[in-house]
This record gives sequence, structure tokens and C-alpha cells, in this order.
Amino acid sequence: QSALTQPASVSGSPGQSITIFCTGTSSDVGNYDLVSWYQQHPGKAPKLIIYEVNKRPSGVSDHFSGSKSGNTASLTISGLQPEDEADYYCCSFADSDTFVFGTGAKVTVL
Amino acid sequence: EVQLVESGGGLVQPGGSLRLSCAASGFTFPRFWMTWVRQAPGKGLEWVANIKQDGSAEYYVDSVKGRFTISRDNAKASMYLQMTSLRVDDTAVYYCARSKVTGNSDFGYWGQGTLVTVSS
Repeated sequence: QSALTQPASVSGSPGQSITIFCTGTSSDVGNYDLVSWYQQHPGKAPKLIIYEVNKRPSGVSDHFSGSKSGNTASLTISGLQPEDEADYYCCSFADSDTFVFGTGAKVTVL
Repeated sequence: EVQLVESGGGLVQPGGSLRLSCAASGFTFPRFWMTWVRQAPGKGLEWVANIKQDGSAEYYVDSVKGRFTISRDNAKASMYLQMTSLRVDDTAVYYCARSKVTGNSDFGYWGQGTLVTVSS
């Protein structure tokens, strides 16, 4: 049950695209198409923005997209906006019917 | 509208116990997996435990096995987390969460969280 690995910080200018990688193992990300991503603003509860690797809940902007290759999942934010500045966490279903979150990535809009 | 409201947090001494509650409304509670996720101050999210729709299965992160017990009362649309042998590193905001769909795949809805502080 080790946390998935994410970069501590990612930054970009408004309008740019950034990608956050989330690296796991064959016991979690690599074995299940049940990767989800969460956005968390300071002092707020997390918000689901991607589920089942690449699906967006209704009401979530289409400038968020997800994908997966092997043991690594990724979240791309296209056309970075000031309101995208937040912490982002990946999460994967894992063996033994558990879940594991990523270490979290702080996105800064320059 | 889906609503999840946690309660029961507070200050407790190491070795003590606390029971958290999550009151759900706005959806058919018995149809969904329910989960507890915690976040230590200034740290990342950690999945703690979840429970199947009918309460027949429950799963825990290794660090709380044998100390925490998750349960639910479908008639009251409520979920609980009984925490015993609390340690300083259990200090965190505890969130109640519901899966987006009826499967056990993600956390589509969250409560506002309740703070548990373990300190002498």
C-alpha cells in the first residue's frame, strides 16, 4: 500500500498545457482501469475530475483529460486557467480491494 | 442533491477512542459503497476504509487494521468509523465519501470533513 508517485509541483502559464504523471505498480495502476483524479483547493474537500482513467463527470471542464499506459496514469490540463491552481491527486483501485492515492501535485499558474 | 455530513471529530489523547459519523441524504444510500478518506495537516490524501452496500464486506488500509472499524446503518442512511488505540499520526481531517456510481471505483461525492486531533 505505498502511495502512487506524483511530482511535487507542476507549473505553467495561462493557456499552456501541463501533464501530471502518476506512477504506480502492477498491483494498482497497471492492473486496473480504475484510476481517478481529484482537484483540491485550499481548505476545501477534494473534487472528482476524472474517473475510470479517462471519463469526466458531468459539469467538469473538458480541458481536463486522463489516460494510462502501463503502470503510469496521467492528467492533462489543456489551456491552463488561473482557477486551475490547486492540488491534484491521482487514486487507483489496488489488489486486496483497497485504494491508494498519489502523493499529490501542486499546480501553479504563473 | 447529494449531501454527506461528518460529525464526531475532536481532541482525544493517545490510546483513546472516537466514533465518527457520516449522515447521508439526497440519494438511495443502500445502493452505494461508502468510504472514509483522511488528510493529515499539510499532507496528502489517504484512503482509510470502505464498506459494501449491504455491509457484507469492509476493507482497510494496513495502518488502521485492528484499530478502526467501519460500519453502516442503511435504515438511518449513516456510516460510522469507530477508532480505537488512537495514535498521534491518526491526526487528520476525516472525509466521508461516496462512489460516483454503484460500483467500487472512485469517490464522486465528499463531505466537508471532521477534524480529529490526537494529542496529550
